[in-house]
Amino acid sequence: TQLLEQSPQFLSIQEGENLTVYCNSSSVFSSLQWYRQEPGEGPVLLVTVVTGGEVKKLKRLTFQFGDARKDSSLHITAAQPGDTGLYLCAGITGNQFYFGTGTSLTVIP
Amino acid sequence: EPEVTQTPSHQVTQMGQEVILRCVPISNHLYFYWYRQILGQKVEFLVSFYNNEISEKSEIFDDQFSVERPDGSNFTLKIRSTKLEDSAMYFCASSEGWAQETQYFGPGTRLLVL
Repeated sequence: TQLLEQSPQFLSIQEGENLTVYCNSSSVFSSLQWYRQEPGEGPVLLVTVVTGGEVKKLKRLTFQFGDARKDSSLHITAAQPGDTGLYLCAGITGNQFYFGTGTSLTVIP
Repeated sequence: EPEVTQTPSHQVTQMGQEVILRCVPISNHLYFYWYRQILGQKVEFLVSFYNNEISEKSEIFDDQFSVERPDGSNFTLKIRSTKLEDSAMYFCASSEGWAQETQYFGPGTRLLVL
């Protein structure tokens, strides 16, 4: 079983602060995805990273795939209350998807 | 905007009963998936389906589970002889292509086994 550990598990910050969420594994993935999940809804894909060392930006969100394709990070600049949610990473290897343990983010106005 | 729909939104069943969870994927998508999320735990991959057959399944997806695309629009997950530990949120997803293509998730069916 591929294990993807996310840290921190919970994060509560003030509006305007920056934050980084980490997704780590001992396994190598062919690609890695980040999702955001609102309560009572399904996950929504934010980004897919494929190449080791790849960096993708989505407005205030910056995603990086580790050089060895075992880990990834999500950095949010100037967090806003609308960023509140559960952030999930998911690694793809072979034909299977492995979701991370999740980071619950709360941005306080 | 097209979306994945799932029915029912909630289902309560007695242990040992069979349940069928239904999903309508986005119409031009070719790949379909089922995931489950036990309360407070991570999302777990169950199965992927393409060209009317299972393309991949996890160790969770044992003989108790089956999937079917009975017609051109529905994609179902059948759980035979439900157990207490089957209580979870079950998500269906679909994508145009495989893996790195965007998967669109449905709103989920919350299953409670008593």
